[in-house]
Amino acid sequence: EIVLRQSPVTLSLSPGERATLSCRASQSVSICLAWYQQKPGQAPRLLMYGASSRANGIPARFSGSGSGTDFTLTISSLEPEDFAVYYCQQCSNSVTFAQGTKVEIK
Amino acid sequence: EVHLVESGGDLVQPGRSLRLSCATSGFTFDDYAMHWVRLAPGKGLEWVSGISWNSGTIDYADSVKGRFTISRDNAKNSLYLQMNSLRAEDTAFYYCAKDTHSSYWYYFDYWGQGTLVTVSS
Repeated sequence: EIVLRQSPVTLSLSPGERATLSCRASQSVSICLAWYQQKPGQAPRLLMYGASSRANGIPARFSGSGSGTDFTLTISSLEPEDFAVYYCQQCSNSVTFAQGTKVEIK
Repeated sequence: EVHLVESGGDLVQPGRSLRLSCATSGFTFDDYAMHWVRLAPGKGLEWVSGISWNSGTIDYADSVKGRFTISRDNAKNSLYLQMNSLRAEDTAFYYCAKDTHSSYWYYFDYWGQGTLVTVSS
């Protein structure tokens, strides 16, 4: 099973700041990686797929990069609605999610 | 507009069974693989099971293998999860999710709002 680990667990930032979230895989997943956003009481929302492609309707302030084992989700300037939990997910070998990173208001 | 609506969640005792359903609309159901994903209290998302468009490929997380069975009825645009021998650690919100592809697992572009399963005596 491919294990994904996200860092940091919690990211405390202010609106307008840049957020950088990391996802590391225990073995190469090529670019078969997605990012999701989940807010309390809501379903997850697909943000990025193929490591760097934005899903439909996702603002340009969200960007993804990486390949192999190391991936990054960047939010260039945090909006109030961006404070949430973010998960990465791999699809190279079955499906696994990481444990998530909570982006909270500082 | 795509809609996925889960139902069937309940409070059940350990060892009992439960069947979840997911009714879908707004897309061609039999063109896509479908999945169940859960979110346990205080934990992260966990993929539970996936099924290809024609039920030809089915896969489960190790944590549920041998206890849960995924199925679909393309004529009814519906997805199911039969959950047997339930344990306390199965307590979670269960989400139905649509894959972006048909035959194997890729990305989940639409999700339902979830149904709560609580396993407790």
